[in-house]
Amino acid sequence: DGGITQSPKYLFRKEGQNVTLSCEQNLNHDAMYWYRQDPGQGLRLIYYSQIVNDFQKGDIAEGYSVSREKKESFPLTVTSAQKNPTAFYLCATKDRGLPNEKLFFGSGTQLSVL
Amino acid sequence: AQTVTQSQPEMSVQEAETVTLSCTYDTSESDYYLFWYKQPPSRQMILVIRQEAYKQQNATENRFSVNFQKAAKSFSLKISDSQLGDAAMYFCAYRSEIQTGANNLFFGTGTRLTVIP
Repeated sequence: DGGITQSPKYLFRKEGQNVTLSCEQNLNHDAMYWYRQDPGQGLRLIYYSQIVNDFQKGDIAEGYSVSREKKESFPLTVTSAQKNPTAFYLCATKDRGLPNEKLFFGSGTQLSVL
Repeated sequence: AQTVTQSQPEMSVQEAETVTLSCTYDTSESDYYLFWYKQPPSRQMILVIRQEAYKQQNATENRFSVNFQKAAKSFSLKISDSQLGDAAMYFCAYRSEIQTGANNLFFGTGTRLTVIP
């Protein structure tokens, strides 16, 4: 059953705490992405990775970090430097050679601050 | 950066009726692509329809069609014979042909569509 698994579905962060959102895929896609979705705003790109051990900043990378040690996994860490982390986070993947709109999306993680 | 505007935060339609969602965009480019994505309650984004700017013919996908007006920079989505499963957030998006990399996909703010039985 191929797809993208994001966990947890809901996550709560305390002030000053780092939290990590998981994104795992078994689609064998090379590229992986993290988007942030806020109410009344479109999706905004945080980070993306075209290949293992390489990743690039998106439009709103400040306060976030990522790693890409395995093709299947692209975890996103929301650090304490991110002052407004409450949002819905979507992970996406894309097969090599396909245009950027051909993204497969996960079901997301809702992050809230306690 | 390109901007994509969806001026209707919410829309509703009776089941089996037709509804049109609006989208305008701002760009100085001549070659680009436009899309509509659907985000159902599961919150996974699904690509619904795609339009190349160089094509005058409006794209259609079953009950979904677009009205692409390049000079007006307008890209509306028409859903015919609306079904309960069409209830979702709909996002308009723009992809630059000139800008490379993953940063060349720009999303609008979304329109929440409610389908009334």
